[in-house]
Amino acid sequence: KAGVTQTPRYLIKTRGQQVTLSCSPISGHRSVSWYQQTPGQGLQFLFEYFSETQRNKGNFPGRFSGRQFSNSRSEMNVSTLELGDSALYLCASSFQGLVYEKLFFGSGTQLSVL
Amino acid sequence: TQLLEQSPQFLSIQEGENLTVYCNSSSVFSSLQWYRQEPGEGPVLLVTVVTGGEVKKLKRLTFQFGDARKDSSLHITAAQPGDTGLYLCAGARDGGSQGNLIFGKGTKLSVKP
Repeated sequence: KAGVTQTPRYLIKTRGQQVTLSCSPISGHRSVSWYQQTPGQGLQFLFEYFSETQRNKGNFPGRFSGRQFSNSRSEMNVSTLELGDSALYLCASSFQGLVYEKLFFGSGTQLSVL
Repeated sequence: TQLLEQSPQFLSIQEGENLTVYCNSSSVFSSLQWYRQEPGEGPVLLVTVVTGGEVKKLKRLTFQFGDARKDSSLHITAAQPGDTGLYLCAGARDGGSQGNLIFGKGTKLSVKP
């Protein structure tokens, strides 16, 4: 069974640009969550999608958005990039997205904003 | 507000030593998960504890959930270089979806041969 796949692995952007990250969940998983990981703040929840609907959202500005497609693949978009957006962005999938379910994480996309 | 405090933040030990890392909160959690994250990879779930006072063992790793379900510990016996990584705890505040899962900042463990 293939794991969670995130693309690209690395991205370098400049301030003001926008970026789109992609996540393919494990086959059969309908929930996809996105997290931002930085050394100072740790892992912070961005949002969760289930059956193409955003079900939960963390405390991030509107520049961070996402969507989920009918095949459960998900994308997240960050517009008007700021230096502070430099981070490892992790995607995780689970079957139904219930809080007690096992989360399967991808290897992440390392975003650097210059 | 950081609901889950992990300590220590960093730990560097020699192979063969024992260690304990802690995950503490003033909040009650319905369950708590422990993950290990290696450099360049995403976190991998090690264990989930659900009942207050529960102890689970995974080879040389022993996980305990506090009686009041506010804290947890991870004890590693005879650490090996392969145990090196970032250990994260994550607490589920109540039922519902993944948005209710709160992560600590982690303990970065380095085991030197």
